[in-house]
Amino acid sequence: QQQVKQSPQSLIVQKGGISIINCAYENTAFDYFPWYQQFPGKGPALLIAIRPDVSEKKEGRFTISFNKSAKQFSLHIMDSQPGDSATYFCAAGDDMRFGAGTRLTVKP
Amino acid sequence: DAGVTQSPTHLIKTRGQQVTLRCSPKSGHDTVSWYQQALGQGPQFIFQYYEEEERQRGNFPDRFSGHQFPNYSSELNVNALLLGDSALYLCASSLITSGRAVGEQYFGPGTRLTVT
Repeated sequence: QQQVKQSPQSLIVQKGGISIINCAYENTAFDYFPWYQQFPGKGPALLIAIRPDVSEKKEGRFTISFNKSAKQFSLHIMDSQPGDSATYFCAAGDDMRFGAGTRLTVKP
Repeated sequence: DAGVTQSPTHLIKTRGQQVTLRCSPKSGHDTVSWYQQALGQGPQFIFQYYEEEERQRGNFPDRFSGHQFPNYSSELNVNALLLGDSALYLCASSLITSGRAVGEQYFGPGTRLTVT
């Protein structure tokens, strides 16, 4: 069933560093690729999203890079902060196939 | 502007029982989707409701059913509960434009269901 593979499962980054999370999808019909941030006990919150007509989208410290030919997209968090520590999910498609999640820890 | 709300927050049920979870979408949204999130996993799509009808369905058995009301709110019903149904149930709302979902889904805080 899973059509979106996310890596790594967990990531530890120093404050100020760059966090990079990757996702790969299978279905070429997917045309919407969001990233969600989830804190413990909360529902996922939309962080940033991209459509395949662009290769990159930046919002503040968050950037999505999209490679249509490789069927891959990634989230880059610049100047990572301890407050960014959360679980991040990529998703794809109208029915939102989610990746398994990446637990990010940013050390002060 | 009220976001997505869900009730109850927590629920404990016994195996074999039935449960109903409720969701009110974000103001202005007309579509509600339900997800099951097991501990340490990503959300799994259950189904989506639009115009009071099931629009899409994920790989979940018929024990999972839903309903959407004229005010766009929605219910998720699960019959004959199994231990494996213990999870966080998330509701998300979005807006249909030109016959397809625009993609931006906003999630509620979820209902934590425990089946004993």
